[in-house]
Amino acid sequence: NAGVTQTPKFRVLKTGQSMTLLCAQDMNHEYMYWYRQDPGMGLRLIHYSVGEGTTAKGEVPDGYNVSRLKKQNFLLGLESAAPSQTSVYFCALRGGRPPYGYTFGSGTRLTVV
Amino acid sequence: AQSVTQLGSHVSVSEGALVLLRCNYSSSVPPYLFWYVQYPNQGLQLLLKYTSAATLVKGINDFEAEFKKSETSFHLTKPSAHMSDAAEYFCAVSRTSNFGNEKLTFGTGTRLTIIP
Repeated sequence: NAGVTQTPKFRVLKTGQSMTLLCAQDMNHEYMYWYRQDPGMGLRLIHYSVGEGTTAKGEVPDGYNVSRLKKQNFLLGLESAAPSQTSVYFCALRGGRPPYGYTFGSGTRLTVV
Repeated sequence: AQSVTQLGSHVSVSEGALVLLRCNYSSSVPPYLFWYVQYPNQGLQLLLKYTSAATLVKGINDFEAEFKKSETSFHLTKPSAHMSDAAEYFCAVSRTSNFGNEKLTFGTGTRLTIIP
């Protein structure tokens, strides 16, 4: 999706390993979000940020950390990966006026073995 | 708290038939409502959104949804299904939280299959 780039697109981790997912935007939006998608559960909010230097917990934050050191980048970290974190991760941006438009990245498919 | 319920995790319709995907919401304040579509191995694409300006909302690819406050519903319809409509559809709701930060809450999704 134009303006939102997620890296990597695929990754396989062993239990206990760490990794960082990157969401990069060129749309100059303040609000950024990390969701995870699991079969039959829709998308659930992990963490979000309302601007550079700010982060907040979402619905399922345990086991994840985030940072927003620069406005254009929102990083999602897994310090010690667990099989329960096997999922597809989506980054989203919010912009415009209410009701806001959300732009989603193409996702990162993560498998923890 | 806000939430949405999508009735039917799987819906199958014949090509050319009416598509009806159901979504009911719960919100303590007037909500903003969205329908997103996800094609296989892709991200989410906005179909339409409720702006409160009109109860009948038209979106892309001939989809539309009607906001019914009395029924707390926002069902998605399309008069004639095409094979290309096969995808997963998500209803979502948002509102301004106490701190003015808006969060988008998704339903569990409905997988639409089109029968030739």
